[in-house]
Amino acid sequence: DQQVKQNSPSLSVQEGRISILNCDYTNSMFDYFLWYKKYPAEGPTFLISISSIKDKNEDGRFTVFLNKSAKHLSLHIVPSQPGDSAVYFCAASGNTPLVFGKGTRLSVIA
Amino acid sequence: KAGVTQTPRYLIKTRGQQVTLSCSPISGHRSVSWYQQTPGQGLQFLFEYFSETQRNKGNFPGRFSGRQFSNSRSEMNVSTLELGDSALYLCASSLGQLLYFGPGTRLTVT
Repeated sequence: DQQVKQNSPSLSVQEGRISILNCDYTNSMFDYFLWYKKYPAEGPTFLISISSIKDKNEDGRFTVFLNKSAKHLSLHIVPSQPGDSAVYFCAASGNTPLVFGKGTRLSVIA
Repeated sequence: KAGVTQTPRYLIKTRGQQVTLSCSPISGHRSVSWYQQTPGQGLQFLFEYFSETQRNKGNFPGRFSGRQFSNSRSEMNVSTLELGDSALYLCASSLGQLLYFGPGTRLTVT
């Protein structure tokens, strides 16, 4: 039973355009959500987070949106750059160990 | 501060053997978590240790075990290796909900 789902295994975007990565969760007890980015041969690195008391958090080119009623969050990257090409993991927590989705591989094409 | 370090980085073992992986957390971090990453399943939680005590455990068979030492360093052990244990094993240390991952140990079971 997957509590955190990333339904798109891959996404290709042109450089300069917006990348939108989506994530759905099923556990209503989750109250903290994070995005991690992973390059090959490296561990995941923290990108951005949002708590359930907010519906948007912005950090430079990265914005995370949370829709609690739909149990959905998304990561927007604007503008997308070739260096953003990586696997992105959505993760959630609710006084529990972080639960991760299966990841979305983003390819930004120059 | 130095990041999370894991040794060895790569390992090849034969079915039936056992393996021990090591993790040194970021200085000052008392919590260490272990995750298994496989291509089809994303990051799956193995266990979490805090102050030498196992605080949480994921849904893995008893062949997977771990421990934490007084200096917060952690080891995980897998006995009676199976082909399906081939994966990237990631260690992460934390102060709160944010995990800082090491580069992982790539285990191949033949």
